[in-house]
Parts: sequence; C-alpha cells; structure tokens
Amino acid sequence: AAGVIQSPRHLIKEKRETATLKCYPIPRHDTVYWYQQGPGQDPQFLISFYEKMQSDKGSIPDRFSAQQFSDYHSELNMSSLELGDSALYFCASSLVGQGANSPLHFGNGTRLTVT
Amino acid sequence: GDSVTQMEGPVTLSEEAFLTINCTYTATGYPSLFWYVQYPGEGLQLLLKATKADDKGSNKGFEATYRKETTSFHLEKGSVQVSDSAVYFCALQPRGGSEKLVFGKGTKLTVNP
Repeated sequence: AAGVIQSPRHLIKEKRETATLKCYPIPRHDTVYWYQQGPGQDPQFLISFYEKMQSDKGSIPDRFSAQQFSDYHSELNMSSLELGDSALYFCASSLVGQGANSPLHFGNGTRLTVT
Repeated sequence: GDSVTQMEGPVTLSEEAFLTINCTYTATGYPSLFWYVQYPGEGLQLLLKATKADDKGSNKGFEATYRKETTSFHLEKGSVQVSDSAVYFCALQPRGGSEKLVFGKGTKLTVNP
C-alpha cells in the first residue's frame, strides 16, 4: 500500500539559509500534518491542512511557513535557519472528511541538520 | 489542554519477559487513543488504537485497553523479542475538533537476548 512520501530524507544547511521540505500524502487523504521531533524528544505539532486550507497551527515559528497544493502535496518552508532547527521533521496524512476519524499515517521524516 | 503522560524510560528487558508501559491521559470528551512505535532511524508506525471506552487494540502481540475510569491506555506484551527494541509513543486524538495527535514523551525499550 502507498505510504506518505517525504523528501529529501536528509538535508544539511548552514545558519541563515532556507530549506524546503516536501510531503506527498497517501492518495485520497485530505489532511496533512507537520511535526518536529528534536533529539530524544516527542514529536511536536507544527501545522496542519485540510483540503488545502490551514486547519490548525501549533508551535510553528514565524520563520516557517507551509502550504498544501492542488494535488494535496505539502511543503514546509523554513527560512533564516538556526542551529536549534536541527531535528527530524515528519509529515503525516489522514482522511478526516465524511466523518472518518482515520489514524495518522507518518512518513519516514526528513532529518535536517543546520551547521 | 489535552495531554499524555507516559512512563519514563529507558526500559531494559530480557527476551521473553513481560512488558508494561504505562500511559495516562487528560482530555475533554472522549478521545481516540493510539500507540505508535519508532524503530531506530525510522518514522512513526501505528502499532494499535482504540476509539472508545473498553475497546482493546491489539497488534503483533501487543495489547492496550481504553480505560475511561482510570484515563489509561497501558501497553502490554506477554513475551518481548529483541526486534521489539524501539521507542514507543502513546498518543491521543481529540474528538470534535482538530484531528492532530498529542504525544507522550516516549519510552525507549531495549530487549536483550
């Protein structure tokens, strides 16, 4: 079965640079979520989109932005990178509409290292 | 707000030992409850879930029962294997509002042969 695809798997950037992470949800899933997981930490919710509209916002810095496109893929844009942004970034998708309360399915994540 | 409290690790067991990882939650209403597993270097995989009180989720020998009276969802396995070594996250998904997951801090399990 198709899973959530994230790219790239690994990304190395320098401070103050910009990074773009991509997420391709499971086909027919209408909701995408972004999470940040620091070393040894639990995943922290950043932002979510339902049917291409932002549906919820968590602890996402103002330097970060995200959007969901017409083909339902999503991108997380991170600017003015800081050392503390080094983390594993997960995308997840689910089917929320039509009363479904489906579990979140996670991708394998993008490991961002800021040097 | 909604929160999940998980037993702190790390937990180290010998193969075939019994496993319990405690998880309690605080939430308004009746959330869905999940256990996710994260193997080294990999993403989060759904292990099992329960969507209402007294439901029992089970998968790969793991079980957890949704206990509304104690607001708990403890993970158990009767006989662990080396391949079960991973980090286990308890999570809740609120009903009626945002569908995002709220995670516990995770419990690292190491199973020795």
